[in-house]
Amino acid sequence: GAGVSQSPRYKVAKRGQDVALRCDPISGHVSLFWYQQALGQGPEFLTYFQNEAQLDKSGLPSDRFFAERPEGSVSTLKIQRTQQEDSAVYLCASSLVVLGTEAFFGQGTRLTVV
Amino acid sequence: AQTVTQSQPEMSVQEAETVTLSCTYDTSESDYYLFWYKQPPSRQMILVIRQEAYKQQNATENRFSVNFQKAAKSFSLKISDSQLGDAAMYFCAYRSAGVVNKFYFGSGTKLNVKP
Repeated sequence: GAGVSQSPRYKVAKRGQDVALRCDPISGHVSLFWYQQALGQGPEFLTYFQNEAQLDKSGLPSDRFFAERPEGSVSTLKIQRTQQEDSAVYLCASSLVVLGTEAFFGQGTRLTVV
Repeated sequence: AQTVTQSQPEMSVQEAETVTLSCTYDTSESDYYLFWYKQPPSRQMILVIRQEAYKQQNATENRFSVNFQKAAKSFSLKISDSQLGDAAMYFCAYRSAGVVNKFYFGSGTKLNVKP
């Protein structure tokens, strides 16, 4: 497809359940970002990949959060033992590595932990 | 770390009028990029306009223009001839020019457009 694709669009998880969120970036985009957006707030950085290398994971809130991009294209954000505070929209974005280029965002996955 | 501040949680404008959204940022870097993104209820973030910090000239994109004041670390967005379709959340974003050139976002401004 032409844009960044995220799946699922909506996910309801019971507290303690593991979830996996998928991101298909734009073909050829080296950089991939994950952001967490709480209701009414701006996106907060979680982690950044350049190809398959995870260059920055400083925004991951706990060791329950894990992200991977094994072949430098599709990425998965995994959250283990979900908690209510994990409820948010998770946005994926990709961009060219050329400095200053904009990020193209997916529509996000809305995670609700009940 | 860089921070981006949007001090207007919500604003309203009459259709066809002009509105300005404010954004300030804090950084010690000399080279960086600034963006305004629009997020409608569909959640899809859409680029509105981009500004390179090394350029003194303010960016313009049709009805959208910015007032970039590097010394003051200010980056406001002006929307002229506002349209109903402009109603959305607007986020100011800072992108570092470093190796890990991640984006930092403000908390957003909700823009209402009245017919």
